[in-house]
Amino acid sequence: EAQVTQNPRYLITVTGKKLTVTCSQNMNHEYMSWYRQDPGLGLRQIYYSMNVEVTDKGDVPEGYKVSRKEKRNFPLILESPSPNQTSLYFCASRTGTGGIYEQYFGPGTRLTVT
Amino acid sequence: GQQVMQIPQYQHVQEGEDFTTYCNSSTTLSNIQWYKQRPGGHPVFLIQLVKSGEVKKQKRLTFQFGEAKKNSSLHITATQTTDVGTYFCAGGGKLIFGQGTELSVKP
Repeated sequence: EAQVTQNPRYLITVTGKKLTVTCSQNMNHEYMSWYRQDPGLGLRQIYYSMNVEVTDKGDVPEGYKVSRKEKRNFPLILESPSPNQTSLYFCASRTGTGGIYEQYFGPGTRLTVT
Repeated sequence: GQQVMQIPQYQHVQEGEDFTTYCNSSTTLSNIQWYKQRPGGHPVFLIQLVKSGEVKKQKRLTFQFGEAKKNSSLHITATQTTDVGTYFCAGGGKLIFGQGTELSVKP
């Protein structure tokens, strides 16, 4: 089954404690992204990657890091989380070719930073 | 930078009524996509429009892309309780998302 998986699904942590949210896709997609969703603000892109070892900032990259060492994985790293990073996070992937750039989203990770 | 605005933010309808959400961009878009997010779920792709003036239908859903490729709309005819959720438009090569329209349907 084609899917994007994220772990953990829920996380409560404290300010300053480094954390990583994993994302994996099994569709051999070139393009992967991380979004955060906050009420009234829609989905805002944090980082994206067009292929292995190619990453770039989205609209709200401050406080986040990513890496793309393998095509299937795109972890999101919060080196020193702060309360304003409390949010619902989605990983997404899509093909980079073919014309229809349908994005497949993971189930989401609800993060609370106290 | 490029912005995509979506209105209304919320819409409450009686089952059987029609519903429309509108999406406007500050710049010309190469394409527009629409997604649906059920409560507690993740966004799911509905459709992509590419051509100026394009209209596509999926059962009771009608999607339009404006002639200038700067606006789009999603119209649902005779809403059902299964239509409940938040509808997002997303446009351009970087896929900038609108804020979404949350639809609730009273049976």
